Amino acid sequence: DIQMTQSPSSLSASVGDRVTITCRAGQTIRTYLNWYQQKPGKAPKLLIYTASSLQGGVPSRFSASGSGTDFTLTISSLQPEDFATYYCQQSYSTPYTFGQGTKLEIK
Amino acid sequence: QVQLVESGGGVVQPGRSLRLSCVVSGVIFSSFDMHWVRQAPGKGLEWVAVVRHDGSNKEYAESVKGRFTISRDNAKNTLFLQMSSLRTEDTAFYYCARGKHFLAVPWDNWFAPWGQGTQVTVSS
Repeated sequence: DIQMTQSPSSLSASVGDRVTITCRAGQTIRTYLNWYQQKPGKAPKLLIYTASSLQGGVPSRFSASGSGTDFTLTISSLQPEDFATYYCQQSYSTPYTFGQGTKLEIK
Repeated sequence: QVQLVESGGGVVQPGRSLRLSCVVSGVIFSSFDMHWVRQAPGKGLEWVAVVRHDGSNKEYAESVKGRFTISRDNAKNTLFLQMSSLRTEDTAFYYCARGKHFLAVPWDNWFAPWGQGTQVTVSS
C-alpha cells in the first residue's frame, strides 16, 4: 500500500492568511494526487485533482502543485468558510489511500 | 445535478450482515466507476471498495476483503455494499462516491461527488 503523510496534522490561522499543507507519498505517484475538504458533519468535497487541476466551482484562492512524492495545497487568502479538514488521496494504485488529514482552525 | 443517496445503515451485532445502497441520479450511472469510502468516528477517510463501470472488476481494501462485496445494478442506477461478518472496527460513516468515467485514463481515480453517508454501528 502507498502511505500518504500530511503535515501539519493541525494548523491555526487567521482570515486573510496564506496557508500551505504538505502531502508526501511513500513512493512515486507521478501526479495522481487529489485534495478534499471536509467540514464537520458533511461529506468530503473534491478541491483539486491530478495534483494541480481545480475542480469546477472551487474558488481560485485554492491551488496545488507537486509530482513524484511531494505535493502541496495552498490557500492564498483564508476565508471563514475555509476552516475545515483537508485530505490528500493518491489515485495511482489500489488501495486508494488518504493522508491522515490536516485540521485548519481559526486562530 | 448529480445526486447520490445512501441508505441501509443501522446498528448491528458483531458477526451479522448489513447491505448498504446508494441511488445515483443526474448522470449516466453505467459510465462511471463507483466507490465506497468510510470514516470511523473522529478518524480519517478509508477507501473500502470500487466496482468498475460495467461491474466487470471489483477491488477491495485488505481490511474488508472476503467479508464485503461491492456490486451495482446499472438498470436501477444503484450501488450496493454487502457487509458480512461485521466487526466492531467496521463502525463508521459509509459514503458512496462517483469515480472515473470509463473513457478516462486509468489513474483518474478521484471521488466526486459524494453522497451524504450512512452510519453503520457494530455493537453487541
